[in-house]
Amino acid sequence: AQKVTQAQTEISVVEKEDVTLDCVYETRDTTYYLFWYKQPPSGELVFLIRRNSFDEQNEISGRYSWNFQKSTSSFNFTITASQVVDSAVYFCALGEYNFNKFYFGSGTKLNVKP
Amino acid sequence: DVKVTQSSRYLVKRTGEKVFLECVQDMDHENMFWYRQDPGLGLRLIYFSYDVKMKEKGDIPEGYSVSREKKERFSLILESASTNQTSMYLCASSFRGTNTEAFFGQGTRLTVV
Repeated sequence: AQKVTQAQTEISVVEKEDVTLDCVYETRDTTYYLFWYKQPPSGELVFLIRRNSFDEQNEISGRYSWNFQKSTSSFNFTITASQVVDSAVYFCALGEYNFNKFYFGSGTKLNVKP
Repeated sequence: DVKVTQSSRYLVKRTGEKVFLECVQDMDHENMFWYRQDPGLGLRLIYFSYDVKMKEKGDIPEGYSVSREKKERFSLILESASTNQTSMYLCASSFRGTNTEAFFGQGTRLTVV
């Protein structure tokens, strides 16, 4: 069965701190996709990044970076020098290969205080 | 600009009413999804459609049905609304294929009284 676990329910940091959001997944598929989404207070989920199971390269995009480790089934997300605008709920998701169904974690609420 | 549009942002219905939540996408996506979002539970898949008139049950289909008569439109139906269906409902769509993300609507917050 497909499953995504985000063990951190809520994290609070002070602006400019670095913060890592954890994501652990379970799947029996050999080909799959991993995603991170951001849900600001307005409610609409915003896509941040996707990774396929064959690509374990880490990625950096500005203040955001992602660490994909197949050996530990983890796809962690780090925000460097956090800002108040980063405050949101962040979801990790697993995508199936064939029909592209998505399975989401329970989300991590990030509070960045000034 | 790609768009997934849900017909209502907020909805209040009475117990026992039949409720329709509509979702339209303009990206020619094959896949469409209905999720329910509740605090601490994340997004749970209610139903999934990979083509016109095709549907699959998700993790929590009880009390819901769906309709997809046209590719761009996916409706979620609460046959007889109950208070435990008070929630945020999110519609999403995606291409059926590799390495594609889902695009989400703005959500419908449904309150059943």
